Amino acid sequence: DAMVIQNPRYQVTQFGKPVTLSCSQTLNHNVMYWYQQKSSQAPKLLFHYYDKDFNNEADTPDNFQSRRPNTSFCFLDIRSPGLGDAAMYLCATSRELANNEQFFGPGTRLTVL
Amino acid sequence: GDSVTQMEGPVTLSEEAFLTINCTYTATGYPSLFWYVQYPGEGLQLLLKATKADDKGSNKGFEATYRKETTSFHLEKGSVQVSDSAVYFCALRIPFGNEKLTFGTGTRLTIIP
Repeated sequence: DAMVIQNPRYQVTQFGKPVTLSCSQTLNHNVMYWYQQKSSQAPKLLFHYYDKDFNNEADTPDNFQSRRPNTSFCFLDIRSPGLGDAAMYLCATSRELANNEQFFGPGTRLTVL
Repeated sequence: GDSVTQMEGPVTLSEEAFLTINCTYTATGYPSLFWYVQYPGEGLQLLLKATKADDKGSNKGFEATYRKETTSFHLEKGSVQVSDSAVYFCALRIPFGNEKLTFGTGTRLTIIP
């Protein structure tokens, strides 16, 4: 089945230690998104890629970066995680930006010690 | 800015009970409206959607009607099952705008046999 895969499902890191979360897709979609979902809060869009074009949300901290080396993979890099960055990180894809359903992965739960 | 307000949970119902989860929105344009469901351990899945006023979205026995006059998109199901236990998210998107999904905080639903 075509799907969105996130690895790992659970990630523990230390305060200030860089961490990378991974997302891959077999849908061959043009757009890949990263959302942050803190406990009991709404998912919040951090940024998205349309093909190789990166689009950052205005309020996404500089601590969060992303890479998309090819159509299938997208990475979320947190350069210096703080305790406030502990959250579920959701990856999603869509075929196009306009009027297209987003397909979500299962998420990676990040714990910062 | 655009926002979605959802009924706070958790909601606990007995099997075969009637379900309503309230959702209201604030938007600058004419949004498309969505309900997403997140089953335990899985990613968000699109449950249903409506793209204009008075449209009714339906899927798996769930329904929601786009009410522009009350800016609402309440989710209903006539007879819930244990397998409906999940977290439900209401969301909006402004078509041909920034296409960003804006989510509510989610409502956890538990159905007891």
